[in-house]
Amino acid sequence: DAGVTQSPTHLIKTRGQQVTLRCSPKSGHDTVSWYQQALGQGPQFIFQYYEEEERQRGNFPDRFSGHQFPNYSSELNVNALLLGDSALYLCASSLYGYEQYFGPGTRLTVT
Amino acid sequence: AQRVTQPEKLLSVFKGAPVELKCNYSYSGSPELFWYVQYSRQRLQLLLRHISRESIKGFTADLNKGETSFHLKKPFAQEEDSAMYYCALSILTGGGNKLTFGTGTQLKVEL
Repeated sequence: DAGVTQSPTHLIKTRGQQVTLRCSPKSGHDTVSWYQQALGQGPQFIFQYYEEEERQRGNFPDRFSGHQFPNYSSELNVNALLLGDSALYLCASSLYGYEQYFGPGTRLTVT
Repeated sequence: AQRVTQPEKLLSVFKGAPVELKCNYSYSGSPELFWYVQYSRQRLQLLLRHISRESIKGFTADLNKGETSFHLKKPFAQEEDSAMYYCALSILTGGGNKLTFGTGTQLKVEL
């Protein structure tokens, strides 16, 4: 089991563009959470998906949206990118509400 | 709203010296507390959870509800302990279990 995987590893986008990040959970896990980690900060919770529904959401604008597929994989979409969206985006998977396992992250740079 | 505070950005100790990484939290209910660690070029991984009350890699952490603290301790630091440590809080409800992280403490163990 490769654990949680994320793609792409790095991404460079221009202000105003849209981006989609992908996450495959650890085998057997059904819940996916997304976090944003700005430089020098701890990860900040964006939202969590369970049974293809957004179960909980942090303090992020509607420009941030997500989706979970029947195979439990997930996507994070960010519209109208701002310079401040530059960060490491982490995906974490878990079985319902238990221990969260993190992926390696996607480094997004907005220029 | 819940909050996690890690007052030290950087903690430098000599090999063999005791280590204490501080973590304080604010939440009126009964949270679950965790320590996550990130070694150089590796993903974020769980080190300890308070409900397990176990020692991992020589590290222990005791939840002090009176002082709302969950400090991480190790009696004798090793070079391989050098890493970024994050304290995190979770409240498991029917609506999900987001993690709230502190800003992290960089532990540097010097020879």
